[in-house]
Parts: sequence; structure tokens; C-alpha cells
Amino acid sequence: DTGVSQDPRHKITKRGQNVTFRCDPISEHNRLYWYRQTLGQGPEFLTYFQNEAQLEKSRLLSDRFSAERPKGSFSTLEIQRTEQGDSAMYLCASSGGLAGGDTQYFGPGTRLTVL
Amino acid sequence: RKEVEQDPGPFNVPEGATVAFNCTYSNSASQSFFWYRQDCRKEPKLLMSVYSSGNEDGRFTAQLNRASQYISLLIRDSKLSDSATYLCVVNIIAPGGKLIFGQGTELSVKP
Repeated sequence: DTGVSQDPRHKITKRGQNVTFRCDPISEHNRLYWYRQTLGQGPEFLTYFQNEAQLEKSRLLSDRFSAERPKGSFSTLEIQRTEQGDSAMYLCASSGGLAGGDTQYFGPGTRLTVL
Repeated sequence: RKEVEQDPGPFNVPEGATVAFNCTYSNSASQSFFWYRQDCRKEPKLLMSVYSSGNEDGRFTAQLNRASQYISLLIRDSKLSDSATYLCVVNIIAPGGKLIFGQGTELSVKP
């Protein structure tokens, strides 16, 4: 499968714990995005990387959230001291590459439940 | 005001019906426009890009009116398999910018 992959697919944690999610983009894509989706809403942008540079962060991304893309390939999203309001689907998308394509392709998401 | 607003759903239609989804966006600088489809508990998938000249892909027709900041999607001869949530999406900076999604309109096609 050469699509975007995310791990884990599901995560249940207790309030106050830290969690980390991983995203592996389509291999030739240089742009990587994180979005968050809650029930009944469309995805909301969190942050965006071009290669290893984090170019934009949403105001939704509080100090408890941090994202990295150290070698310009896979990315991690960490949430510290989780809160019940963090429960959502976390989606990763990628785009770009040699053809310069602008279409964003989404991974299957990581569903986070904070108890 | 939300940046992208869609018709509230759900839409319940019989097989073979024609259904139209409407969407408005607030930022006149928006560069590119899309409809994504999202099945229950799955990721969004691109259905089609939307151009000012209008574009058609089989039973699906998308229209863009930049002056009115309005986007539409028409599905003709709807199938059971069209049941999904349809997301109206804009991108202010293209290429490479973040996508801004509407809240989605759920479609349920019944036999």
C-alpha cells in the first residue's frame, strides 16, 4: 500500500497522560498536514510541514501539542497532559512531490479517546 | 461566521434522484476548491476539484461562482453507494496551503 499510513489507528488514554501519533506520508510527497475532526464536523487544520520545516500552526494547537518531521519523511504529533476535549480523530495528509501535485491525500486517521 | 458553510443535512433521497449540495465561502482570496467524500468512520477522499468553468465527472457536476463565493455539487441518478458525507473544501494559498472544510452534508440514498 503506497498511501498515507497512520499509527496507531485507535488510542484510549486516561486524562493527563501523554500520547504520540505517527504519520507516514506518500513517499515522494514533501508536504505533510495534520488535521483534527470531531463528530459532526469537518476536519480542522492543525499544522503543516514542507520537508522538515513547520510552516504554519493553527491557534487550535495549544502548548500541549507538538509536531515534528525531523527528516522530512514521517511526522509525529504529541499531545501532553491529555484532556477529554482532545478526544477526536487525528488525520494526516500529504501532497506535493516531483509533479507538484496539490491534492491532499489523507491517511485513515488515529481515533483518540480520553477518559 | 464560519469560513466555509454547507447546507445542513441529512439529505434522504430515493435511488435515482438528483440531489444538489450548496456551499458558500467567506474569503474572496480563496484559490482552489474541492468536494471531498467521507464514508462513515473513514478518511476524506477527493471527489473532484471545482473550476470556474464548471466540471463534470460522470454523474457528478461541480460549479463555482467566484462573484457569489458559492460552490455547488450535483449528483444525478443517485446510487446506494453515494451514501456518504460530502465536504466542501477551499484552499486560500495554492499550492501547498491548508484546506478549510465545511461541516459536511450527509447523504443517505434509500432503495
